[in-house]
Amino acid sequence: QQPVQSPQAVILREGEDAVINCSSSKALYSVHWYRQKHGEAPVFLMILLKGGEQKGHEKISASFNEKKQQSSLYLTASQLSYSGTYFCGTDLFAGGTSYGKLTFGQGTILTVHP
Amino acid sequence: NAGVTQTPKFRILKIGQSMTLQCTQDMNHNYMYWYRQDPGMGLKLIYYSVGAGITDKGEVPNGYNVSRSTTEDFPLRLELAAPSQTSVYFCASSYSTRQARGSPLHFGNGTRLTVT
Repeated sequence: QQPVQSPQAVILREGEDAVINCSSSKALYSVHWYRQKHGEAPVFLMILLKGGEQKGHEKISASFNEKKQQSSLYLTASQLSYSGTYFCGTDLFAGGTSYGKLTFGQGTILTVHP
Repeated sequence: NAGVTQTPKFRILKIGQSMTLQCTQDMNHNYMYWYRQDPGMGLKLIYYSVGAGITDKGEVPNGYNVSRSTTEDFPLRLELAAPSQTSVYFCASSYSTRQARGSPLHFGNGTRLTVT
């Protein structure tokens, strides 16, 4: 099942903060976050794994609440380059084996103005 | 490293035509995926492969076929193209083992397909 992202869109001025949420109805093995600029491929930001491990860019902050199957991406002191569509991708927990088959949310459009 | 390379970048097909979207990666990744992205939407998994000779269906496999004869290549075949297959197609790869949990997907630049 597709995870649900909120909000659908965010408009910020440079320097402001934003939080993007991702919620699943099923137990998760991991949550991935990607950013996609218009006409380009998605680019990896972060992975949050069941058990607390995180992999990703140092400047990106995110959390994973395993009990609620929810993840949040924190964008602080936003820059113009942060503009784009943010997708979460969820990998379901199925007996401990993951083939990295991600189900993506519908996306959150982030616009940062000067 | 070139990463994940997709060809062609753009293609227009007539209804009923067939074509193959090419995808190759030079990172020695064992897992490869095909996703489609409709305008303003997220990505949906079409097919995936966990190694040469092993493929399986994703969420939206109807109308598509894949093969994985080598680690590097994972072509996607469209038979009898339909307007509903108008989309942007992304190939992706990752490297994962039981010991290395959770690996990022590396995406190609996409193929923009229009079926008229």
